[in-house]
Amino acid sequence: QLQESGPGLVKPSGTLSLTCAVSSFSFSSKEWWSWVRQRPGKGLEWIGQIGPSGSSNYNPSLRSRVTMSIDKSKKQISLNLSSVTAADTAIFYCARGRRAATGDPLFLDYWGQGTVVTVSS
Amino acid sequence: DIQMTQSPSSLSASVGDRITITCRASQSISTYVNWYQHKPGKAPKLLLYAATNLEGGVPSRFSGSGSGTEFTLTISSLQREDFETYYCQQTFSTPYTFGQGTKLDIK
Repeated sequence: QLQESGPGLVKPSGTLSLTCAVSSFSFSSKEWWSWVRQRPGKGLEWIGQIGPSGSSNYNPSLRSRVTMSIDKSKKQISLNLSSVTAADTAIFYCARGRRAATGDPLFLDYWGQGTVVTVSS
Repeated sequence: DIQMTQSPSSLSASVGDRITITCRASQSISTYVNWYQHKPGKAPKLLLYAATNLEGGVPSRFSGSGSGTEFTLTISSLQREDFETYYCQQTFSTPYTFGQGTKLDIK
């Protein structure tokens, strides 16, 4: 239902561009879409999220380099991470965020399988 | 940023054991905590949301408790398929931070 794709290898100082194809979901006004990464030997790190109107929140640690976008007609979410270094090598996941009811805590209930990105020359 | 301190980082246990994993938040976050199970090479799986609510299809041996700053995930009787890595996550405020993870292995 969520499938990440993109180049598996990116050169240092380049831009990492990933796409998450969404199927079986309607892109409702109540869904937010997150990107999460796991660097080698590390835990999960939230990169940011984008909402139905295109509003976004980014992790301050990456904010200057991250851009997310949403294309409802193509049912895709995109992630761009610029000026990458070897430290950005990771498995990248997209995930759907929703709430059980308005005002309730948001949770990530569907995740893609992840895509491996290596930053190397 | 809200820090989520998860403990222990690793845990050895046997099939049938009852185990508890704890997450402490650096500030009060009501019940804005979720728990995930992660198997290598697989998509993380949501187990519990809003601290205590079991996601559909998740076995009832998983339970969660807590509010404010301290939260627990309990597995009442470990099954072989439970020996994976577990993460808490707060969604009280962005950035939505995860705990460091707890790797559960067979004793």
